[in-house]
Amino acid sequence: AQSVAQPEDQVNVAEGNPLTVKCTYSVSGNPYLFWYVQYPNRGLQFLLKYITGDNLVKGSYGFEAEFNKSQTSFHLKKPSALVSDSALYFCAVRDVADYKLSFGAGTTVTVRA
Amino acid sequence: DAGVTQSPTHLIKTRGQQVTLRCSPKSGHDTVSWYQQALGQGPQFIFQYYEEEERQRGNFPDRFSGHQFPNYSSELNVNALLLGDSALYLCASSLAIQENTEAFFGQGTRLTVV
Repeated sequence: AQSVAQPEDQVNVAEGNPLTVKCTYSVSGNPYLFWYVQYPNRGLQFLLKYITGDNLVKGSYGFEAEFNKSQTSFHLKKPSALVSDSALYFCAVRDVADYKLSFGAGTTVTVRA
Repeated sequence: DAGVTQSPTHLIKTRGQQVTLRCSPKSGHDTVSWYQQALGQGPQFIFQYYEEEERQRGNFPDRFSGHQFPNYSSELNVNALLLGDSALYLCASSLAIQENTEAFFGQGTRLTVV
């Protein structure tokens, strides 16, 4: 079985401040981890992924995420948030022996000017 | 390069009716997955098609069925619609040989059951 928890429904930050969106996961085997972003009435856009290797992964639009195996976490970070980063963010996990993605419930990020 | 395209974008159906949603994968992709995203929730995996076969299924009833065509496009069929089937249905495509690649999502079909 695999699952994802995003403990915060909402994250509010001021523009220019660091942004962190938390994610923890559970899988039976080794994980593939992903972050996606969703804008209103749109599909999901891929931000970044962890497959293997370096624990710090860099992705699109200045986002990065840190894989922590001991804490089973994959938190999304951005050093300086923009108003345009306001959106719904989803963390997802896939067991390497599986085909399906399991998503968290999502975190709404609001960046105020 | 066209991404994943879904049709229609919106539709309204009555309880008990049947609906068919369509998906064309990203050029070069051969695997299609379908997800249901209810309001305020994360997407839930329905099933995945590869080589015209359903190769994995999520926890959805048999009312949900699908098909993949030789050109890799796919359909999702839902029979005997319930009010609870109202959701955004997302199609995602990927390339089977690149097992660790990310899935690309379409914009979704918003289904409303009344």
